Amino acid sequence: DTGVSQDPRHKITKRGQNVTFRCDPISEHNRLYWYRQTLGQGPEFLTYFQNEAQLEKSRLLSDRFSAERPKGSFSTLEIQRTEQGDSAMYLCASTSSVGLAGSGELFFGEGSRLTVL
Amino acid sequence: GENVEQHPSTLSVQEGDSAVIKCTYSDSASNYFPWYKQELGKRPQLIIDIRSNVGEKKDQRIAVTLNKTAKHFSLHITETQPEDSAVYFCAASIEGYSTLTFGKGTMLLVSP
Repeated sequence: DTGVSQDPRHKITKRGQNVTFRCDPISEHNRLYWYRQTLGQGPEFLTYFQNEAQLEKSRLLSDRFSAERPKGSFSTLEIQRTEQGDSAMYLCASTSSVGLAGSGELFFGEGSRLTVL
Repeated sequence: GENVEQHPSTLSVQEGDSAVIKCTYSDSASNYFPWYKQELGKRPQLIIDIRSNVGEKKDQRIAVTLNKTAKHFSLHITETQPEDSAVYFCAASIEGYSTLTFGKGTMLLVSP
């Protein structure tokens, strides 16, 4: 499968613990996005990378959240000191658009579902 | 920032009927409007998009219309089939400036 892959698919953790999610985008894609999706809501933008540079962060991304894309390939999203409100599906998406930001088809992964007890 | 409202939140139709989902956006500078389909337990996938230089775009049974003056756009699905059952999300962005803002989604149920 050459699509976007995310790991783990499911994570259950206790409040206060740290969790890390990994995203492997489609190999030739230079842009990588993280979104959060809760029940009954659309995907909410968290952050995005062009190659290894983190170009934009949402106000939703508190200081407990950090994302990296060290070599411009895979990315990690870490949540420190998790809270019950962090429970959500975390979606990664990538695109090969060489044009303008905010355009081009996003290819989503199947998401990492986080449950904080 | 951009705010996208989507209606209805749920829509039930009989197979063969048409379905229409409507979205409004707040930022008049937005000029790119994609629609994504998310089947239960699956990833969102792009089904059609439109840019502000056109008012309508069709792809087989799916069409999208855009009214920039009123700041709304709609998804039209004709001759619906059970496999059209899914959650549909609209989104908007300013190409070259902002990332996508999604609506809350519409759950479409097509009954045989």
